[in-house]
Amino acid sequence: QVQLRQWGAGLLKPSETLSLTCAVYGGSFSGYYWSWIRQPPGKGLEWIGEINHSGSTNYNPSLKSRVTISLDTSRNQFSLKLSSVTAADLAVYYCARGGGSLWNWGQGTLVTVSS
Amino acid sequence: EIVLTQSPGTLSLSPGERTTLSCRASQSVSSSYLAWYQQKPGQAPRLLIYATSSRATAIPDRFSGSGSWTDFTLTISRLDLEDFAVYYCQQYGNSPYTFGQGTKLEIK
Repeated sequence: QVQLRQWGAGLLKPSETLSLTCAVYGGSFSGYYWSWIRQPPGKGLEWIGEINHSGSTNYNPSLKSRVTISLDTSRNQFSLKLSSVTAADLAVYYCARGGGSLWNWGQGTLVTVSS
Repeated sequence: EIVLTQSPGTLSLSPGERTTLSCRASQSVSSSYLAWYQQKPGQAPRLLIYATSSRATAIPDRFSGSGSWTDFTLTISRLDLEDFAVYYCQQYGNSPYTFGQGTKLEIK
């Protein structure tokens, strides 16, 4: 049973960089796509981007200038960085296994942006 | 980008009833790459259906998906108490992948 566990700073100041990491347990890491999605409180889901096993990325154009998704295959982990955060980036951030359809999800991390 | 519009916004039903949720795309969804997710309060979404009509692992057969091009549906044949949640459709045929705004299924 694949499990994803994520962590990272939950409180940021405007202009700082959001940094989250997701670790994969209990399943193969290679050969899959890995994704990040976010959900503002009380609202719907927004796809942020994905990375495949060879490190190729695909980002949402609305965030592309600020997003970096990377892999650490030696640790079965992948990460999200979102630069220059503002109050509009307030959301629960999820990691997930899959490119396209999202089969397994992390528990979510609430990220708040406040000065 | 493809905009997905779900209807209705909220459904009030009783356990045991049958229901159909709608998801309409602003343009044709490539290769029927349409998924459905269920989300309960405080939890991550759970994949129910992928590729329009294929059930994900361990999803009960009371859930079924259908549709093509721009019109897709999720049917729950007989509502169980555990089915009352928010449902999202997602297209992943064209990047950026997009989600509908959700349909809330509540107990009547």
